[in-house]
Amino acid sequence: QVQLVQSGAEVKKPGASVRVSCKASGYTFTTYGLSWVRQAPGQGLEWMGWISAYYGDTKYAQKFQDRVTMTRDTSTSTLYMELRSLRSDDTAVYYCARGAGSAGVYYEAYWGQGTLVTVSS
Amino acid sequence: EIALTQSPGTLSLSPGDRATLSCRASQSVPSNSLAWYQQIPGQAPRLLIYGASTRATGIPDRFSGSGSGTDFTLTISRLEPEDFAVYYCQHYSSPFGQGTRLEIK
Repeated sequence: QVQLVQSGAEVKKPGASVRVSCKASGYTFTTYGLSWVRQAPGQGLEWMGWISAYYGDTKYAQKFQDRVTMTRDTSTSTLYMELRSLRSDDTAVYYCARGAGSAGVYYEAYWGQGTLVTVSS
Repeated sequence: EIALTQSPGTLSLSPGDRATLSCRASQSVPSNSLAWYQQIPGQAPRLLIYGASTRATGIPDRFSGSGSGTDFTLTISRLEPEDFAVYYCQHYSSPFGQGTRLEIK
């Protein structure tokens, strides 16, 4: 079965960087795109960006364009998200999600368990 | 980039009621590639509907999606206690709508 297992909770100081990982299993890693979505406490879902697991090309939300880098390691079927210059309002649960679909109809079919990133001095 | 607006922000209903949730796009959604997700507090989102109207695997038939172009609707025909949650719409690899909270009246 498809599983996305994320790395553990992180506590960072303002100005630091964080890297969250998401290890995929149960399918051929390079077949589907993957996304990162975050959720601040009491807030809605915020789409951060997408990466092609096959080619490695990315699409970032404009809000994060200058601070985020998404990469993948096909040898270990692992997705990474690095967010730099952290601020207190980056405190959130970060989710990875795997896409699915065809013929122009795509959706996030599977989700990781979430990783809490706390930014505090 | 397609912006999605969901309404209402909060919907207060009772078990057994019918729920109608709306998602309006700033421009026509290509291929009607609009998905709905359910999120229970403390849990990851769960896919309910994709392609505007196709139920995901294991989703009960009381959930249905409809619409095309810029206007989409999620309908829950008879609310069960476990349906009280937050619902989001999204066009793939784009921002989510702000969500509709479905609460018990």
